[in-house]
Amino acid sequence: DAKTTQPPSMDCAEGRAANLPCNHSTISGNEYVYWYRQIHSQGPQYIIHGLKNNETNEMASLIITEDRKSSTLILPHATLRDTAVYYCIVRVDGGKLIFGQGTELSVKP
Amino acid sequence: ETGVTQSPTHLIKTRGQQVTLRCSSQSGHNTVSWYQQALGQGPQFIFQYYREEENGRGNFPPRFSGLQFPNYSSELNVNALELDDSALYLCASSLGQFSGANVLTFGAGSRLTVL
Repeated sequence: DAKTTQPPSMDCAEGRAANLPCNHSTISGNEYVYWYRQIHSQGPQYIIHGLKNNETNEMASLIITEDRKSSTLILPHATLRDTAVYYCIVRVDGGKLIFGQGTELSVKP
Repeated sequence: ETGVTQSPTHLIKTRGQQVTLRCSSQSGHNTVSWYQQALGQGPQFIFQYYREEENGRGNFPPRFSGLQFPNYSSELNVNALELDDSALYLCASSLGQFSGANVLTFGAGSRLTVL
């Protein structure tokens, strides 16, 4: 079973920041938090990952709480092309990814 | 740098048949894993290959098998196809294995329909 909990769906206005929450209360000290997204019928696309510190790249920012039990993915200026299912994943031993149901983000004009 | 490529993109089989799906890993990646994604579900881990050997397997029966070749490309074979095997099959490659910091790069998938 997935070790993360995400809301099933969220809406965001185009141009606004999209903040996607994720709970991972049972995360272990050496497990990373990964975010992927999947646009309809395509392969999952890597967004960002982190261990303890907040991370930022050209796509998004990842904010991890100090106790590491939750995190937030931030898309700073959402566009219609960001409409997708977003998966928050805790990377378990051996490198496999265990996907949950994800959050279906709808960006609206 | 080429990404992960999978073939075929779509195929239709009938129950009881066998299927082989192929995957070319991203340049420089030596680890390949396969995932099955049923309609409306998140991807599920099937197995992983490193240095031509299976080194991790999910909850899938033995009729799901695979190979990794010296050039790190891979095949997924499914025997005795069942209707529930209809799904998008995803291949992902990465560099190294036992590390949480290695990013998996996914291909676009092979859509299998079993009639």
